[in-house]
Amino acid sequence: QKEVEQNSGPLSVPEGAIASLNCTYSDRGSQSFFWYRQYSGKSPELIMSIYSNGDKEDGRFTAQLNKASQYVSLLIRDSQPSDSATYLCAVVMNTGFQKLVFGTGTRLLVSP
Amino acid sequence: DAGVTQSPTHLIKTRGQQVTLRCSPKSGHDTVSWYQQALGQGPQFIFQYYEEEERQRGNFPDRFSGHQFPNYSSELNVNALLLGDSALYLCASSWQKNIQYFGAGTRLSVL
Repeated sequence: QKEVEQNSGPLSVPEGAIASLNCTYSDRGSQSFFWYRQYSGKSPELIMSIYSNGDKEDGRFTAQLNKASQYVSLLIRDSQPSDSATYLCAVVMNTGFQKLVFGTGTRLLVSP
Repeated sequence: DAGVTQSPTHLIKTRGQQVTLRCSPKSGHDTVSWYQQALGQGPQFIFQYYEEEERQRGNFPDRFSGHQFPNYSSELNVNALLLGDSALYLCASSWQKNIQYFGAGTRLSVL
């Protein structure tokens, strides 16, 4: 079992729709969860961080965390073509160090 | 306020050669982590430096080594390059155990 799992996609949504990206993780003791956006040929850019169960909203983005189910998701409302990118889920495992463990990423395509 | 800076941007080497990549952390950050990202994969943790010491290491061979300087900047060295070392090398900085911010990366091609 991979430590962090994501569907590689591509996830295709029309402009204006809600995109839902999902991630599961294996270490039940994990405490910190992050979503990074990566455009082709560029480096990862932090979008959201979440540490507690529930929802965290920032503009068009909402991160959702369910530690009991070991599941974290990212919702993008009113999707725009500029949102087309690979979205990486990253988890800090319960090791005491800030080592990020990434999933393989989900490619999102937003069509005009 | 400069973000995380990495040099060089691109690098082409041949098998067996050695390479050094450099990273300057964001102002106020004291911790540097290095990641390798192969095409189509998520970044893989190489190691992390804090107070000029390697604090944690991922599953990478000893050919990968690093250093952190008193000004918090860092170098990643890779010896005896293999074709499989071709990847995007990412440096991330943070203040202690806080959120990591990535530089633009160095794309290494090994021929």
